[in-house]
Amino acid sequence: AQKVTQAQTEISVVEKEDVTLDCVYETRDTTYYLFWYKQPPSGELVFLIRRNSFDEQNEISGRYSWNFQKSTSSFNFTITASQVVDSAVYFCALSEPGAGSYQLTFGKGTKLSVIP
Amino acid sequence: EAQVTQNPRYLITVTGKKLTVTCSQNMNHEYMSWYRQDPGLGLRQIYYSMNVEVTDKGDVPEGYKVSRKEKRNFPLILESPSPNQTSLYFCASTELAGTSGANVLTFGAGSRLTVL
Repeated sequence: AQKVTQAQTEISVVEKEDVTLDCVYETRDTTYYLFWYKQPPSGELVFLIRRNSFDEQNEISGRYSWNFQKSTSSFNFTITASQVVDSAVYFCALSEPGAGSYQLTFGKGTKLSVIP
Repeated sequence: EAQVTQNPRYLITVTGKKLTVTCSQNMNHEYMSWYRQDPGLGLRQIYYSMNVEVTDKGDVPEGYKVSRKEKRNFPLILESPSPNQTSLYFCASTELAGTSGANVLTFGAGSRLTVL
């Protein structure tokens, strides 16, 4: 069965610090997809990134970067020079094509607080 | 604007009083799903639907019903709500074209339900 672990329940950083949110996953499939979603205090879920299992290139989008390492089954998310607007709960999620249900298995989330 | 609309956004009800949370999408998506979010548990899938008249259970279907009579609508029905169904509920949708599991879910804004 697929599983996503976000070991960090809560993280607090001071504005402008860099912060990395960890995500470790378990799957038996060789083809799968990993996602990160952001949930700001307003409550909606905002899609950030999708990565397929065959693409291990790291990705950078502005202050956000993602490090995908199949060898350690990890898909970590780094925010550089954090800002107060980054305060949110961040979810890592996994889907497997073989499941057929398009179900996303979510981690329990990491609450990030950026202190001014 | 492409969106998933849920109503009500907030509801306080009492044990045993039937309620329906509506979900509607304007993107002509085949796939729709309901998740619940609870502190420390992340998001868990309740039910999903691959198309009109095709529904199936997710991980936590007990106490819920759904229907898919029209492509755009996927209501969540609580026939006899109980306090353990107090939660934040999200409806989501995606198209079924392309590779299974790769599709990005679009989420509604969430419905916060309290059962007293």
